[in-house]
Amino acid sequence: GAGVSQSPRYKVAKRGQDVALRCDPISGHVSLFWYQQALGQGPEFLTYFQNEAQLDKSGLPSDRFFAERPEGSVSTLKIQRTQQEDSAVYLCASSPILAGVGTDTQYFGPGTRLTVL
Amino acid sequence: KQEVTQIPAALSVPEGENLVLNCSFTDSAIYNLQWFRQDPGKGLTSLLLIQSSQREQTSGRLNASLDKSSGRSTLYIAASQPGDSATYLCAVFRPDSGGSYIPTFGRGTSLIVHP
Repeated sequence: GAGVSQSPRYKVAKRGQDVALRCDPISGHVSLFWYQQALGQGPEFLTYFQNEAQLDKSGLPSDRFFAERPEGSVSTLKIQRTQQEDSAVYLCASSPILAGVGTDTQYFGPGTRLTVL
Repeated sequence: KQEVTQIPAALSVPEGENLVLNCSFTDSAIYNLQWFRQDPGKGLTSLLLIQSSQREQTSGRLNASLDKSSGRSTLYIAASQPGDSATYLCAVFRPDSGGSYIPTFGRGTSLIVHP
């Protein structure tokens, strides 16, 4: 596939469960971003990686949120002890350039819709 | 904190109309501004990117302008078509203290173009 893929596309969790959301960026893209989009809102920045380094995690809403990209390719966003307010679409985007030296078009995946009951 | 506002929130027009979507931002210290399109159940697609030193960008029937000093951008869609129906998002990128470029998005304008 040529685009950014995310899995699962839909996830339903009971409150208190842990979830893991996966992002496969475009091959060779060095920057990877995670966003949270609540219903009727624009995406909100969570965190980003440059290769395997997590350079900014200022948008993570709490310490229940954790992201990793151990080999500089696939990334996982983990949410522990999910709460109802975590219900949202989680978007992943990748970019071919180093985010710290400017911006370029970000290529977005279709998102994972998380519903916490 | 940067705030981005998009007006109108929703728009429904007949095919063929020329449209103007508005975006305003509170902090003019931006690196660039991007307009995105989001279709239901799909990710975002970048439409136009305007660097802070530029005034406008054009792509086909789309034209985006930027007035950085007043904190405003407009997206102009000429001769609208039903296929233009989507949510249009404006995002401003600013450098943060760590040297990275973080986007702030508006809530979007939901556009319906009916035949």
